[in-house]
Amino acid sequence: DTAVSQTPKYLVTQMGNDKSIKCEQNLGHDTMYWYKQDSKKFLKIMFSYNNKELIINETVPNRFSPKSPDKAHLNLHINSLELGDSAVYFCASSSLEGELKKLFFGSGTQLSVL
Amino acid sequence: GQNIDQPTEMTATEGAIVQINCTYQTSGFNGLFWYQQHAGEAPTFLSYNVLDGLEEKGRFSSFLSRSKGYSYLLLKELQMKDSASYLCAVRDSNYQLIWGAGTKLIIKP
Repeated sequence: DTAVSQTPKYLVTQMGNDKSIKCEQNLGHDTMYWYKQDSKKFLKIMFSYNNKELIINETVPNRFSPKSPDKAHLNLHINSLELGDSAVYFCASSSLEGELKKLFFGSGTQLSVL
Repeated sequence: GQNIDQPTEMTATEGAIVQINCTYQTSGFNGLFWYQQHAGEAPTFLSYNVLDGLEEKGRFSSFLSRSKGYSYLLLKELQMKDSASYLCAVRDSNYQLIWGAGTKLIIKP
């Protein structure tokens, strides 16, 4: 029944490792997103992606890369993890239809880089 | 630059009314959102304003003044479960969401 699901919920890893966070939505939405929420609670867009266009926030290091095997999935790969990557990462989706386009968020992945 | 300002923290009493303000400076405007985020959980949609005025939804209302770059979220008959962070977000001319840092609302008995 979960609309947007992401795994894992918690991820603890060492600096320099490569990790992935998976995200799936069953809402039939066209657009998916990855957000980073830092310790100050600001939500910052990292990527938005529909089946036609990937929009990358230019401030995101190229160690981060989204992978979308199909419309319902948008996974986040992170290479060579750094201490500053520690944050909560949220996946979200929205429909292209209508003006509202409200976001539905996954439950978040708390990443801790040691 | 683009900026969303809202108070960091507010405290209110159960059963009372609280107003959370949000001011914004963005490149264009295509709607303002309020989201609720309980600690350790995902943000969930509360309200959307694109025209000036008040939108009421149960105990929660949201107001917008585009000329003043100002919105508020009004919560009535506060309940303990309303303790959460409330995030203001504005969609700019490129249809990108700009987020505030959120207002942590603490409800006391």
